[in-house]
Amino acid sequence: AQSVTQLGSHVSVSEGALVLLRCNYSSSVPPYLFWYVQYPNQGLQLLLKYTTGATLVKGINGFEAEFKKSETSFHLTKPSAHMSDAAEYFCAVSARTGGGNKLTFGTGTQLKVEL
Amino acid sequence: GAGVSQTPSNKVTEKGKYVELRCDPISGHTALYWYRQSLGQGPEFLIYFQGTGAADDSGLPNDRFFAVRPEGSVSTLKIQRTERGDSAVYLCASSPQRTANTEAFFGQGTRLTVV
Repeated sequence: AQSVTQLGSHVSVSEGALVLLRCNYSSSVPPYLFWYVQYPNQGLQLLLKYTTGATLVKGINGFEAEFKKSETSFHLTKPSAHMSDAAEYFCAVSARTGGGNKLTFGTGTQLKVEL
Repeated sequence: GAGVSQTPSNKVTEKGKYVELRCDPISGHTALYWYRQSLGQGPEFLIYFQGTGAADDSGLPNDRFFAVRPEGSVSTLKIQRTERGDSAVYLCASSPQRTANTEAFFGQGTRLTVV
């Protein structure tokens, strides 16, 4: 069985500061990894995903994440926060075989950006 | 083109009643997923369709929950004898392929409140 742990249900940063949202997974086989963002009153939107190849993946809106197999982590970062980044962020995994794209989500991290 | 559409956006029902939630996936997407998101939690998988058939219904919590996709496009999630614990946001997602590394596109959800 797979699981996802997101440390910190709420993270607050100043505008222009580094954003770091943590995600660790548990899986017998390294899964596919995703970050989704949910803005108020909107559906979940894919930020980025890791499937294979280069372990540093870049996504939309200046976000990136690095897959570290030895640490079973997939932390999300952005060098400089913007007010528009305030949203809820979900890390998710899917099994590489047999599950379609059935996603297992973490509990989410609410990002607040302050002036 | 249009994204994933879910109707109604909000549904309030009395305990014990029957409800139906509808999902219109993106045209041409063969895979369709239902998730449930309770307050303060990440989305939890309910059921996955590939075409008309339910490929994986392991997430349905009990036999009060049922979903159909008779023509391989629109899907309906049906909940019988609703309970207050069923209150949540029900999310639908679709993807063009069944493979695990394919992006899933989410609708805005139906907020179900059982009173």
